[in-house]
Amino acid sequence: EIVMTQSPATLSVSPGERATLSCRASQSVSRNLAWYQQKPGQAPRLLIYGASTRATGIPARFSGSGSGTEFTLTISSLQSEDFAVYYCQKYSDWPRGTFGQGTKLDIK
Amino acid sequence: EVQLVESGGGLVQPGGSLRLSCAASGFSFSDYAMSWVRQAPGKGLAWVSSISDSGRGTYYPDSVKGRFAISRDNSKNTLFLQMSSLRAEDTAIYYCAKDSWDSSGYFTSWGQGTLVTVSS
Repeated sequence: EIVMTQSPATLSVSPGERATLSCRASQSVSRNLAWYQQKPGQAPRLLIYGASTRATGIPARFSGSGSGTEFTLTISSLQSEDFAVYYCQKYSDWPRGTFGQGTKLDIK
Repeated sequence: EVQLVESGGGLVQPGGSLRLSCAASGFSFSDYAMSWVRQAPGKGLAWVSSISDSGRGTYYPDSVKGRFAISRDNSKNTLFLQMSSLRAEDTAIYYCAKDSWDSSGYFTSWGQGTLVTVSS
């Protein structure tokens, strides 16, 4: 079973700065990696799929990179609405979509 | 606009049963695989079940296999999750999620969720 590990658990960043979130797979998932954003009391929202493709309507300040076992979500200039919890998900063996434990991005 | 509206959650005793529904609109429901994902209070996301577009294929993790059953009614654009032998650890918000166009396995749209509480 592939395990997804996100780091750090919590990331404190000031508005306007860059945030870099990491996701590691215990074995290769190729580029079958998605990122979601979840705000308190809301459902998750798809940000990135295929490791680097932005979903419809997602601002260009969100970018994804990586392949194999190492992935990164970068938010280039944090806006107030970006403070949330972010989850990565591997989907290399549909339908078993395993999620990481999440990274909470909060205001410094 | 894609809309997914879950219903059927509530308080149930351990060992009890519950049936969740998800009403879909804004897309061609019968063309997409669908899934349920849950989130225990204060915890992360966990995949619960998936069903193919036709309904012929159903899938579960070991944690719910044999206790949960996913189904769909394509004539009514509705997804279901029948849950039985419920345990305290099944307490969670249950989200209905629409799979990608090619059933790759990522979720392009989510409902707002319905809360299931298993407690005596």
